[in-house]
Parts: sequence; C-alpha cells; structure tokens
Amino acid sequence: KNEVEQSPQNLTAQEGEFITINCSYSVGISALHWLQQHPGGGIVSLFMLSSGKKKHGRLIATINIQEKHSSLHITASHPRDSAVYICAVSVGGSQGNLIFGKGTKLSVKP
Amino acid sequence: DVKVTQSSRYLVKRTGEKVFLECVQDMDHENMFWYRQDPGLGLRLIYFSYDVKMKEKGDIPEGYSVSREKKERFSLILESASTNQTSMYLCASSLWTVGNIQYFGAGTRLSVL
Repeated sequence: KNEVEQSPQNLTAQEGEFITINCSYSVGISALHWLQQHPGGGIVSLFMLSSGKKKHGRLIATINIQEKHSSLHITASHPRDSAVYICAVSVGGSQGNLIFGKGTKLSVKP
Repeated sequence: DVKVTQSSRYLVKRTGEKVFLECVQDMDHENMFWYRQDPGLGLRLIYFSYDVKMKEKGDIPEGYSVSREKKERFSLILESASTNQTSMYLCASSLWTVGNIQYFGAGTRLSVL
C-alpha cells in the first residue's frame, strides 16, 4: 500500500465547477505539500501546511492531522487549472525528503 | 525568485552511452534532489544530496550515480544508459530544514534508443 494515496486519479470538470482532490497518508508527517504540474513538466509548489487551512486565490488547502487527510479545493474552476496535482508529505528526520502521491490529472472543459 | 535550471529539456541517447544531466540552483540551498517521473508511478527519488560532496541513495539508485562538487550544482550520471531509463528527470532543491518547500527544474525528457 502506498504511503500517500490520492483520489481521484483523473478528474474532468466543466468550467466554473467546484473541485476537490483528496490525499490520505499513513505515516507521521512534519508537513504536507500540494504541487501543480502543467503539461511540459515544470512542477510548482502551491501550498505547504502542517495544520488547518491555507488559501491562495481560488485555491484552498486543508489538512486534518488526526484523520491523516488533506484536501485541495479549486473554486470557480477554469481551463487554465488543467494540470496534474500532486500531494506529498515530509517525514520528520528525513532531511527534506518528500513522499509523493501518484497525482490527480485534472481537465477543466470550457 | 528561486531558479533551478536543468541543462537540457530533451535528450536522445543510445544504449550504452554515458549520460550527464546537470542541475544548477541559485538560492544557496543545501539540499538537492534527482527524481524520475513515469506514467502511473509518480515521482521517485533517485539520489539526494544535503551538502557538497555528500550524497544519499533514494528509492531507485540502481544504474545511476551523482556528483556534487559545488553547492549550486548537482549532476546525475547514467554510467551506461539503457532503454528502461527513458523517462522524465526532475531536479529539485530546498533549504536544509525538514519540511521545507522543494523548488523544481523544468525537467529533462530523456529517450534512450
């Protein structure tokens, strides 16, 4: 079983829809990261969080430490949000190493 | 802004060739990482380095080696390229602190024929 599980694997939405991507993990963590990868390869860090909730524009990330679960929400989705969203966790004592989920491929149709 | 630069976006090599992938970061980060990314498998750590001349094996080091002679540069070496090393290779860097954000390069898509 993977230590970081994401769902769904693939997601297709219509422009304007509210989107949720889920991430569950089975190890103790010091932080959880949400990353975005557009076609072509480059990966960008969206959020790093260890508790509660963070918001940036139309993106919201939440984490529940007790349930070992995080969600990434996108409000008023737009075709430019189409990308692969990757959840990753930092494990304490691992000198900055991340354990990655396999990613969620989001496609937003106009 | 942090910049992580990988020397090539696309590379085509022949089986048995020695391949060098170069990565340079400009933010004085202690940690540097090399990953490969394959469909359905996600990102997998090949090697990382937390200081000059220091290296640690990741999850899939077989067939690879690394070099970090200067803090800003981390090289991935395929001693004798094989077709199963065809993949997207991503370099990243971060500060030393556990849990810190990793900054990624644009990736190198390597094809071994």
